[in-house]
Amino acid sequence: SQQGEEDPQALSIQEGENATMNCSYKTSINNLQWYRQNSGRGLVHLILIRSNEREKHSGRLRVTLDTSKKSSSLLITASRAADTASYFCATDRGSTLGRLYFGRGTQLTVWP
Amino acid sequence: DAMVIQNPRYQVTQFGKPVTLSCSQTLNHNVMYWYQQKSSQAPKLLFHYYDKDFNNEADTPDNFQSRRPNTSFCFLDIRSPGLGDAAMYLCATSRGGGPFEKLFFGSGTQLSVL
Repeated sequence: SQQGEEDPQALSIQEGENATMNCSYKTSINNLQWYRQNSGRGLVHLILIRSNEREKHSGRLRVTLDTSKKSSSLLITASRAADTASYFCATDRGSTLGRLYFGRGTQLTVWP
Repeated sequence: DAMVIQNPRYQVTQFGKPVTLSCSQTLNHNVMYWYQQKSSQAPKLLFHYYDKDFNNEADTPDNFQSRRPNTSFCFLDIRSPGLGDAAMYLCATSRGGGPFEKLFFGSGTQLSVL
C-alpha cells in the first residue's frame, strides 16, 4: 500500500511561477524526503526533513513539515522548464531501518 | 563518477519465462533496494539487503526473488513473469540502514512481458 498521497496529481505552470506540491501520510515518521524523477529515469534525492524540523531550504526548494497534520509541502520558486518532472515524497513509516515508502507523485510541467 | 548502474535499460520477456535484472554500484554502499514502479504509480518497495541480510516486504509476491553475491552487485529474479509484472524496476542504494539515509537510484530497467 502507498504511504503518501501527493496533490495535485498534475500541475502545469509558466516559467517564473512558483510550484507548490503537497504530500500527506498516515503513520508516524522519523523523516520525510522529496525526490524528483525525469520521464523514464531513476529518482534523484532533493531534500530530507526530519520529524523535529518544520522547514528546510535548499536553493530554490523549500520544504515544510507539519507532523500534527501528517503533511508536507514542497515549494519550487521561480520555476524553469528544466524543472519539468515528477516529484515524489517518501517516508520511513517510523522505521529505523532506512526503508522508504513513496507516494504516487505530482507531475509538474513548466512551460517556457 | 560513483553511481548505480542497471542493465539492461529495456528488457523484453515472454509470459512465464524467467528473467533476471541486474544492478551494480560503485558507491560501496551497504544497502541495496529493489523497487517496482508501474506507469503513473508510486515506486513500490519489493525488498532490500543490508549487507547480506535479506529483507522482504510482506506483500512482495513469491514470484520475485533477489540475490546479492557481493557488495557491488544485486539481482532481481522473476521466476514466472505475468503480464502484471510489466513495469519499471528501480535499484537503489544507501550508505547505511539508518532512518536518515537518502537513496541513490539507477536509471531503471523497463520490463515488458509479451
